[in-house]
Amino acid sequence: NSKVIQTPRYLVKGQGQKAKMRCIPEKGHPVVFWYQQNKNNEFKFLINFQNQEVLQQIDMTEKRFSAECPSNSPCSLEIQSSEAGDSALYLCASSGQNQDTQYFGPGTRLLVL
Amino acid sequence: TQTVSQSDAHVTVFEGDSVELRCNYSYGGSIYLSWYIQHHGRGLQFLLKYYSGNPVVQGVNGFKAEFSKSDSSFHLRKASVHWSDSAVYFCAVRSTSSGQKLVFGQGTILKVYL
Repeated sequence: NSKVIQTPRYLVKGQGQKAKMRCIPEKGHPVVFWYQQNKNNEFKFLINFQNQEVLQQIDMTEKRFSAECPSNSPCSLEIQSSEAGDSALYLCASSGQNQDTQYFGPGTRLLVL
Repeated sequence: TQTVSQSDAHVTVFEGDSVELRCNYSYGGSIYLSWYIQHHGRGLQFLLKYYSGNPVVQGVNGFKAEFSKSDSSFHLRKASVHWSDSAVYFCAVRSTSSGQKLVFGQGTILKVYL
């Protein structure tokens, strides 16, 4: 079973508000991923880190989304100005440096009213 | 175009039946294939993966999958399902050309009736 921790489990925000969620990867996993899963079960990769460095990110992430994985602190994903279309399940996953398997947390379900 | 396709949106079986959930991919280069399960309202739980070697891989809870390069498939099977296997199943692919990110299929909803 995965030991990835995500908080909060549920997040309700109004349009234009900031939304911030956190992730603690499995111990010893230096690579962290963020995905967005919408109500149609479509997944969108957002960003990933190795230690504190960004490896890949999509254009959406570069605009309203920001993420970081500081040393000795939880990773975080923040939406600067939430929109209704951001309502989704945000999943954090972690993996070992050279391993293929990504282990997922329970997710943060964001609802933007 | 790189794609992952799960042709069955819904599969319904009775407890004790065997089941096959299909996954086909279209990717170039080296790929890693995996299956995940998602129970209602929860995150994704890893079931199994394939990269190389024996094309039949064993996973948790009696699941196994078989890789076929000729068919570009990685179908998931279980010989005897339990009602608790009811969930959404996702096939995922990671290719060397897409970096480390996973690309998911559309998901298959498995319902197991008693």
